[in-house]
Amino acid sequence: RKEVEQDPGPFNVPEGATVAFNCTYSNSASQSFFWYRQDCRKEPKLLMSVYSSGNEDGRFTAQLNRASQYISLLIRDSKLSDSATYLCVVNTLKRGAQKLVFGQGTRLTINP
Amino acid sequence: DGGITQSPKYLFRKEGQNVTLSCEQNLNHDAMYWYRQDPGQGLRLIYYSQIVNDFQKGDIAEGYSVSREKKESFPLTVTSAQKNPTAFYLCASSERDLYGYTFGSGTRLTVV
Repeated sequence: RKEVEQDPGPFNVPEGATVAFNCTYSNSASQSFFWYRQDCRKEPKLLMSVYSSGNEDGRFTAQLNRASQYISLLIRDSKLSDSATYLCVVNTLKRGAQKLVFGQGTRLTINP
Repeated sequence: DGGITQSPKYLFRKEGQNVTLSCEQNLNHDAMYWYRQDPGQGLRLIYYSQIVNDFQKGDIAEGYSVSREKKESFPLTVTSAQKNPTAFYLCASSERDLYGYTFGSGTRLTVV
């Protein structure tokens, strides 16, 4: 089982739609969770951290369900500029050190 | 402005040659990381360093080497022993493992 699993997509949705991504992780001891955005042929950039209570940043909402080991990202009123690959990222303990593990990413295309 | 600089942006290597990818940060981060990304794939950890003069192997260290003689610098050498070196290489740094990473803009290595 992969440490972090995401639906690779692609997701194609019309502008203005609401879209949701899910991600599961295998290490129940993981403590930190993030969503990153990666544009084509660019480096990943931190979109938002994910907190147990859930958090919102404008049109973006992230949720964490520790019991199910599941993270979600919701994008409301999607814009053309939201087209990118979204990476789910979880910290995990490896060889006595905390490390970030990246999911393979979910590709999103917003259509006009 | 603080950030991470990777150079070169594009690199072409002949088979059998070693090449060194540069990564410099002025964020005063203790931890630095090297990842490899193949098309349609997630990021895989090559090496990481949590402190000067110390570094650890990641998941795919074979055929790579690193050094960490200065806090600001974490160069990666891709040796001739690396069987399939063509990939997008990303360097990152963080204050601590549980925080999100800041990435450099990457080096695209092609073996010709």
